[in-house]
Amino acid sequence: AQRVTQPEKLLSVFKGAPVELKCNYSYSGSPELFWYVQYSRQRLQLLLRHISRESIKGFTADLNKGETSFHLKKPFAQEEDSAMYYCALSGADTGGFKTIFGAGTRLFVKA
Amino acid sequence: SAVISQKPSRDICQRGTSLTIQCQVDSQVTMMFWYRQQPGQSLTLIATANQGSEATYESGFVIDKFPISRPNLTFSTLTVSNMSPEDSSIYLCSVGGDTSYEQYFGPGTRLTVT
Repeated sequence: AQRVTQPEKLLSVFKGAPVELKCNYSYSGSPELFWYVQYSRQRLQLLLRHISRESIKGFTADLNKGETSFHLKKPFAQEEDSAMYYCALSGADTGGFKTIFGAGTRLFVKA
Repeated sequence: SAVISQKPSRDICQRGTSLTIQCQVDSQVTMMFWYRQQPGQSLTLIATANQGSEATYESGFVIDKFPISRPNLTFSTLTVSNMSPEDSSIYLCSVGGDTSYEQYFGPGTRLTVT
């Protein structure tokens, strides 16, 4: 079954500390993995995608096919990173460009 | 990326009534989706809105409860019919990239059913 698992509902770190939001997936083919973010009172938006291999707002995520993981990392958390983060996957096997979302992790960065 | 608007942004409705949510995109898009996000939960796909044909519904969602229209490539509506308090949720419209799988979301409609 196709599934995205985010084991942590809440992650709290101090400003300047490293942060890692975990994401594991189950998918039979070759997935495309994404991280979406929702800041307070803003719409859900794409943060980054694995195929771009880019760093956005200091965040990176590497697709590990062996561990079926796509963890989101940032070396030094900032207060403005506080938000809800969703890991998501899509691909031809999800049918019709559908996206499967994880349950989300709320990141709280303390001053 | 596409700019997506939704109307209304929020509403409070009585049980047994229906509400139609509109989704407008500033460019023509092939893929449009409707999601539900219940309090404290993740996004659940309701259906894919297909232009010129019936929507494709996910398991657990039926056309009689959530009729969808897609008259053209920039507009879609979702109706929540015969509402009950369990329908209280945020309803999101999204569009997909034509050449990639990422999605772009509207601001959402917060529905409260009393």
